[in-house]
Formats: sequence, structure tokens, C-alpha cells
Amino acid sequence: RKEVEQDPGPFNVPEGATVAFNCTYSNSASQSFFWYRQDCRKEPKLLMSVYSSGNEDGRFTAQLNRASQYISLLIRDSKLSDSATYLCVTHRRGGADGLTFGKGTHLIIQP
Amino acid sequence: DTGVSQNPRHKITKRGQNVTFRCDPISEHNRLYWYRQTLGQGPEFLTYFQNEAQLEKSRLLSDRFSAERPKGSFSTLEIQRTEQGDSAMYLCASSLGAPLHFGNGTRLTVT
Repeated sequence: RKEVEQDPGPFNVPEGATVAFNCTYSNSASQSFFWYRQDCRKEPKLLMSVYSSGNEDGRFTAQLNRASQYISLLIRDSKLSDSATYLCVTHRRGGADGLTFGKGTHLIIQP
Repeated sequence: DTGVSQNPRHKITKRGQNVTFRCDPISEHNRLYWYRQTLGQGPEFLTYFQNEAQLEKSRLLSDRFSAERPKGSFSTLEIQRTEQGDSAMYLCASSLGAPLHFGNGTRLTVT
């Protein structure tokens, strides 16, 4: 079983719609969680950290469920520029091996 | 630009040749990571430095791969006797903890 699992999509969503992705992780020692965004042939860039209480950044809301070991990302009022691959990422406390990435979920916003 | 810098951006080489990539991290970051990403996959961890010490290596890092960070600043990743399966994007990232900040990567094509 992969340590971080995501639905690869693609998710085809009309502009203005709300879209949600989930991700599950298997390592219960994971302590920190992030969503990264990656545009085609570009490097991953941090979108937002994910906190236990849930957090919001503009149109983006991230939530963490430690009991079920899943993380979610909600995008409201989607824009064409939101088209990208969204990578779910975990980090173990004390882990020297950096971050563990999911394969990513590909989102396409259609006009 | 004070971000993570990688050179070269692209490298095409023939099978069996050696290649070396360079990464210049964000100057105050003591941690440096190398990742590899192939099409449709998330980044996969290769190795990690804290200052000049290489603290962790993935099993993905065969004996043909070597990484150095001699003065705790820039790092190099060398691949000896390249194989077609080495074709990928090689990403460098730096941090003071989590999250990581990625460079724009070196895309290697082995023909």
C-alpha cells in the first residue's frame, strides 16, 4: 500500500464550481501535512499547510482527520488558473526523509 | 532571486555517460533534499543533507548515484553510467524544517 494515496483524476470541473479532493495516508507517525500545487513541467509549490483544526486560505479550505488518516482540500469558486496537479504531502516527526508525496490529483477547470 | 536554484535546466545525455547536477539552496536553509519525479508520479525522495552531513539515502539511490554538499551550501548530484530509466526530473529542495521549497528542477533525458 502506498504511503500517501490520491485519486489521480482528472477532475473536469466547470469554472465557478466547488471541487474537493481527498487523500489518505498510512503512516500514523505522520505529524505535518501539506497541499502542494504543481503546474505542468514546473516544480511543486506549497499551497497550504493543513492543521488539525482545519484551515482556510481564501477560496481554499484544508481539513485533517487524524482518526481516519485522511486529508481534504476544498476549492470554492474555481478559476481557470486553478488547473494544476494537487499533491498531498505528509511529514513524519523526526523523519529525515523529507516529505512523502502522493501521486497528485489532476484538476482541469473548464470555461 | 533568493529561491532554490538548479543547473542545468535540461540535460540530454547518451546512455553510459556521467552527468552532474548542481543545486544552490536558499542561503539560510540548513537542510537540502534531492527528489526524483517521473511523469504521472509524485516526487520520490532520494537523499537529505543537514548542513554538510548526508543523513539519509533512499533505497532508490543506487550505487551509481552520489550526492555531496561539501561546505553545507550548494549540493551536487552525480549519476554515473546513466541508464534510460534515469530519465526524470531531478528536484532539489531546501528548508529549515517543513515545508520544503523546491527549485525548478533539472530534466534529464537519457537516449
